[in-house]
Amino acid sequence: SYELSQPPSVSVSPGQTASITCSGDKLGDKYVSWYQQKPGQSPVLVIYQDTKRPSGIPERFSGSNSGNTATLTISGTQGMDEADYNCQAWDNSIGVFGTGTKVTVL
Amino acid sequence: QVQLQESGPGLVKPSETLSLTCTVSGGSISGYFWSWIRQPPGKGLEWIAYMSDSGSTNYNPSLKSRVTLSVDTSKNQVSLKMTSVTAADTAVYYCARAVGNTYYFDYWGQGTLVTVSS
Repeated sequence: SYELSQPPSVSVSPGQTASITCSGDKLGDKYVSWYQQKPGQSPVLVIYQDTKRPSGIPERFSGSNSGNTATLTISGTQGMDEADYNCQAWDNSIGVFGTGTKVTVL
Repeated sequence: QVQLQESGPGLVKPSETLSLTCTVSGGSISGYFWSWIRQPPGKGLEWIAYMSDSGSTNYNPSLKSRVTLSVDTSKNQVSLKMTSVTAADTAVYYCARAVGNTYYFDYWGQGTLVTVSS
């Protein structure tokens, strides 16, 4: 079965850039979406179709996808960005989520 | 504003059937795919299945033998049934709307915790 791997945790200082990777076989051939989840809350879409931001998502969130790796970048990270982040893709019409990354803003 | 609300028993006994309903308000169920996704306590997200308003379905192979989805367009509801549950099925269950030609999840329900225990 298809798998998406993410680092368990990423730490970042306020105002700095956080990069969260999502790795999978030929992931660049698929569309990736990213979801932010804060404790006790439902996931929220922050990036879709690799690079697009939904309405209401700050410009500091951006995405890329090439080769075997998709990356979610948070520029000028703020304390409110502390959360779990999950990537997601479809493989032969089967939904697959990444293992999840906890972003800590120190 | 589209809202999704999951409902169903919060406690299910081992070997019994888990039944949940997702009620969609503020928008039509037609024209979209509707997914169920779960999250065991302290763990990551797991996609369970999706169904379109026309009844087209697809299931996670690891759960396919135990899961059935159905849709009631007159009530704007999507339902999930999972048979022969075990403690490993204890999780928060979310319904979510999948949209666009790449099917990203743009709306999620608040989730409902289902505990499997005798």
